[in-house]
Amino acid sequence: GIQVEQSPPDLILQEGANSTLRCNFSDSVNNLQWFHQNPWGQLINLFYIPSGTKQNGRLSATTVATERYSLLYISSSQTTDSGVYFCAGENYGGSQGNLIFGKGTKLSVKP
Amino acid sequence: ETGVTQSPTHLIKTRGQQVTLRCSSQSGHNTVSWYQQALGQGPQFIFQYYREEENGRGNFPPRFSGLQFPNYSSELNVNALELDDSALYLCASSLDRDTYGYTFGSGTRLTVV
Repeated sequence: GIQVEQSPPDLILQEGANSTLRCNFSDSVNNLQWFHQNPWGQLINLFYIPSGTKQNGRLSATTVATERYSLLYISSSQTTDSGVYFCAGENYGGSQGNLIFGKGTKLSVKP
Repeated sequence: ETGVTQSPTHLIKTRGQQVTLRCSSQSGHNTVSWYQQALGQGPQFIFQYYREEENGRGNFPPRFSGLQFPNYSSELNVNALELDDSALYLCASSLDRDTYGYTFGSGTRLTVV
């Protein structure tokens, strides 16, 4: 099956710093999304980004579908950005609705 | 508030028991999926329902079953609970996955003792 690799697995930042999170897919996927999981477990949808670039405030994301990777940029990080960031894609060749997740990047932003 | 609500938030069950978890999606969200997330891992796909029919399933045994209702609510049922079923269970729904992707609820944390 499709493998999703996220890097780095852990990241510690000082408040105000910028960061880039990466997601590589072993094969083409559809409906790529980035999520932030807060300490209470809720997966918050950051971007639906099957291709191209999107920006939302301090966050932006770029997906290069032909090269099977996506990047999430966090600028001027804040302590509330802490948590685990997941990327996930859907494989239309597999089971319907099967979003395949990476293991996540655990981000800690220190004040 | 994501528009997808799950209940209960926490649950403790004994090995061998049965459990029902519930999810309420937004109006018009005809697709609902359920995921299991073990500690320190990414969510794993259990199954998906579309208009009350199961149309996709991951590598989970038949004791994991589900239902979807016309009012956009759904259930995940797990029979003969095992200790390894302890996890966060997430429900996700979609209006149009090819345009908006999926929206997740806040999950139910199940502990099997």
